[in-house]
Amino acid sequence: DTGVSQDPRHKITKRGQNVTFRCDPISEHNRLYWYRQTLGQGPEFLTYFQNEAQLEKSRLLSDRFSAERPKGSFSTLEIQRTEQGDSAMYLCASSPLSSAGQETQYFGPGTRLLVL
Amino acid sequence: AQSVSQHNHHVILSEAASLELGCNYSYGGTVNLFWYVQYPGQHLQLLLKYFSGDPLVKGIKGFEAEFIKSKFSFNLRKPSVQWSDTAEYFCAVNPYNQGGKLIFGQGTELSVKP
Repeated sequence: DTGVSQDPRHKITKRGQNVTFRCDPISEHNRLYWYRQTLGQGPEFLTYFQNEAQLEKSRLLSDRFSAERPKGSFSTLEIQRTEQGDSAMYLCASSPLSSAGQETQYFGPGTRLLVL
Repeated sequence: AQSVSQHNHHVILSEAASLELGCNYSYGGTVNLFWYVQYPGQHLQLLLKYFSGDPLVKGIKGFEAEFIKSKFSFNLRKPSVQWSDTAEYFCAVNPYNQGGKLIFGQGTELSVKP
């Protein structure tokens, strides 16, 4: 059973640098979600895709954040000009599309970002 | 704004004690409800979920949760905890017709003393 995978698992970068994270969802899962989790808090929704279409991105934290899912399979999350406040765990989840509005998300291990 | 509140930030119990973790949400419409668990060093895993029907749902490892619509609550229970239940527990709400995005509570850290 192949779950959601994320790469890298850890990233240390200097302020001002760009970073890109990758998420590979469970095979044939139509929907893919990105969340951010800071210490002591629950995950916070950022954006999601249905196949290659980005259906909501209003929760992306600023215009420095962008996400893509070009072929409807893996997705990337990019942060440009990183700031220390971007330090967090970035989580990816995937789910099969449910016509009944009942879907269950399965989470990956996350990418922990530290901005120095 | 839609939010989820978990009132207990850290709970410490001895083995065999009963557990109840509170979860309340603020959304007036139909919701799907979830509890996720994160064991030390592991990723978020689904514990149980409620979509419709019987408001008492059973999950893995002996956990259950009850949806009380009038109280906007979805509390998690287990009659007898084990040391291996030590983990962080997150309640999450998916407001219906808002895609599948989840709104999480801040989590409750459970420590079970052997």
